[in-house]
Amino acid sequence: GENVEQHPSTLSVQEGDSAVIKCTYSDSASNYFPWYKQELGKGPQLIIDIRSNVGEKKDQRIAVTLNKTAKHFSLHITETQPEDSAVYFCAASTNDYKLSFGAGTTVTVRA
Amino acid sequence: NAGVTQTPKFQVLKTGQSMTLQCAQDMNHNSMYWYRQDPGMGLRLIYYSASEGTTDKGEVPNGYNVSRLNKREFSLRLESAAPSQTSVYFCASTRDGNIQYFGAGTRLSVL
Repeated sequence: GENVEQHPSTLSVQEGDSAVIKCTYSDSASNYFPWYKQELGKGPQLIIDIRSNVGEKKDQRIAVTLNKTAKHFSLHITETQPEDSAVYFCAASTNDYKLSFGAGTTVTVRA
Repeated sequence: NAGVTQTPKFQVLKTGQSMTLQCAQDMNHNSMYWYRQDPGMGLRLIYYSASEGTTDKGEVPNGYNVSRLNKREFSLRLESAAPSQTSVYFCASTRDGNIQYFGAGTRLSVL
């Protein structure tokens, strides 16, 4: 089955700086790569996703890049704010209606 | 719009007790999922139901059973709870097989 590895496990950044989280996947058939944000005491919520026919996607301060050849994808958050503090999960999926999640990255934005 | 509703929010069980976690969605989604979340391990799929009337095992199904009661409801049952099942359980649903919407979770402790 699919194996998704996520790094780093924790990330502390100064407010206003950028944060980058990287994930690798093992199944070359994977074609959908979402990112979820989980705030304390809540369920994960989709923040951005990318499909395998696209190399990069942006939504305001958030961007995701995909390198299919290397089988890795990354989340970039620019101009970080205190409300960006949360746990972020990457995931990968083929067409089988199942997501395989990374272990998560705890992001702390220091004021 | 309630989205995905999980009950109960918290539960404490003794080893050997049984219980059912309830999940309901009001988005007319076809597919529903049960995950468990443990520190440092991300979200692991327990069972899923691709459509009403079907259920399939995920990555960690041992010790659990599920019922897709109708299109809205998908329950998870622990027949004989064990301390290893102490975790946070999330239910999710999707219309198109990719974007999953999560409930707020059930925090379960087995003593």
